[in-house]
Amino acid sequence: DSGVTQTPKHLITATGQRVTLRCSPRSGDLSVYWYQQSLDQGLQFLIHYYNGEERAKGNILERFSAQQFPDLHSELNLSSLELGDSALYFCASSAAGGLIETQYFGPGTRLLVL
Amino acid sequence: EDQVTQSPEALRLQEGESSSLNCSYTVSGLRGLFWYRQDPGKGPEFLFTLYSAGEEKEKERLKATLTKKESFLHITAPKPEDSATYLCAVQASGANSKLTFGKGITLSVRP
Repeated sequence: DSGVTQTPKHLITATGQRVTLRCSPRSGDLSVYWYQQSLDQGLQFLIHYYNGEERAKGNILERFSAQQFPDLHSELNLSSLELGDSALYFCASSAAGGLIETQYFGPGTRLLVL
Repeated sequence: EDQVTQSPEALRLQEGESSSLNCSYTVSGLRGLFWYRQDPGKGPEFLFTLYSAGEEKEKERLKATLTKKESFLHITAPKPEDSATYLCAVQASGANSKLTFGKGITLSVRP
């Protein structure tokens, strides 16, 4: 158990809908990262928040957005969902904001868009 | 752009048959190279971080090594419970601390 929690575990929804994925980092960690894992693309970086502020963006679609709250939990919002958004979504946390440090991953949310 | 290539894509071993997994990388200044293990439907589990060429780290039957262009994960006398996907990732120097992952190597160990 990495100490990172994610809810829900599974999510089934329809095209065009909007969903929110939630992540709680390990106790004391200030950084939260979001990754998408699909069968053909592997793990892809989406976005990084540090202590409530956006630090870096990857190939995150404009339909996707995220935020980190004062209690350090983070939410990833996916809107106007398409079939191709079906994937595993992971969050990871680390202690600081960019030094050489390990990112610890949560169990993931499996999203299925029908 | 940072790139990570892992080979082979899949590897089947007999229990006790040692082997190595390869991770080749190109990055604009390596800050760290990470190995993770991932079981089906689960999140990646951290194994090792390597920082500089020549560095080696060991944990039970696993040993990770690093050169300037690649890293190897050596598995000695594997057991069926070592079956998993092994992911390699790099973190580049600079402000962005994202990890760039390879596609992984699926290891299957037969009893």
